[in-house]
Amino acid sequence: DAKTTQPTSMDCAEGRAANLPCNHSTISGNEYVYWYRQIHSQGPQYIIHGLKNNETNEMASLIITEDRKSSTLILPHATLRDTAVYYCIVRVVETSGSRLTFGEGTQLTVNP
Amino acid sequence: DGGITQSPKYLFRKEGQNVTLSCEQNLNHDAMYWYRQDPGQGLRLIYYSQIVNDFQKGDIAEGYSVSREKKESFPLTVTSAQKNPTAFYLCASSGGRSGNTIYFGEGSWLTVV
Repeated sequence: DAKTTQPTSMDCAEGRAANLPCNHSTISGNEYVYWYRQIHSQGPQYIIHGLKNNETNEMASLIITEDRKSSTLILPHATLRDTAVYYCIVRVVETSGSRLTFGEGTQLTVNP
Repeated sequence: DGGITQSPKYLFRKEGQNVTLSCEQNLNHDAMYWYRQDPGQGLRLIYYSQIVNDFQKGDIAEGYSVSREKKESFPLTVTSAQKNPTAFYLCASSGGRSGNTIYFGEGSWLTVV
């Protein structure tokens, strides 16, 4: 399984962009990069995913490097409610099903 | 509204007892999953099921059992063989219109007393 590496914690000022990095140097060609976030004692919330191209939705943008060995999740205008643990995940696809393998994630704290 | 429902939210169990956590989804998803999360840790996969009447072990299946008799339901039994069952348990599903994206329920807290 491709492994991801994220910083343990990050801080961001409210209203500023939050840029969360993720390394996935062993990613294979058909594996997607997924981002989820989890607020304490709740289920993880899907944010965005991508394969090669940069992606944007109403929540965030995902920038994937050309060699696909790393990516960055961007929250353009962070709010206090964006304080959460953010997980960068590489999708493992197997013949009997497909699953997500979670690492430790990044604790993002948005400060007033 | 469509979604994933886990019950109970909080559960206390005596040592040596089995307990079953319920997970129901009305999203018409084919695949369902169970994860375990310990305080301050990431999620670890227990079991997953791609179709009815079929399921595979995840990374930490020992001490757990599942069944998938209906598409909508994927109950998890925490048996007495699980040595450290106190944890936060998350059910998830994927498929249908969501494609490969996995969506999670709100979780169940299990405490052994």
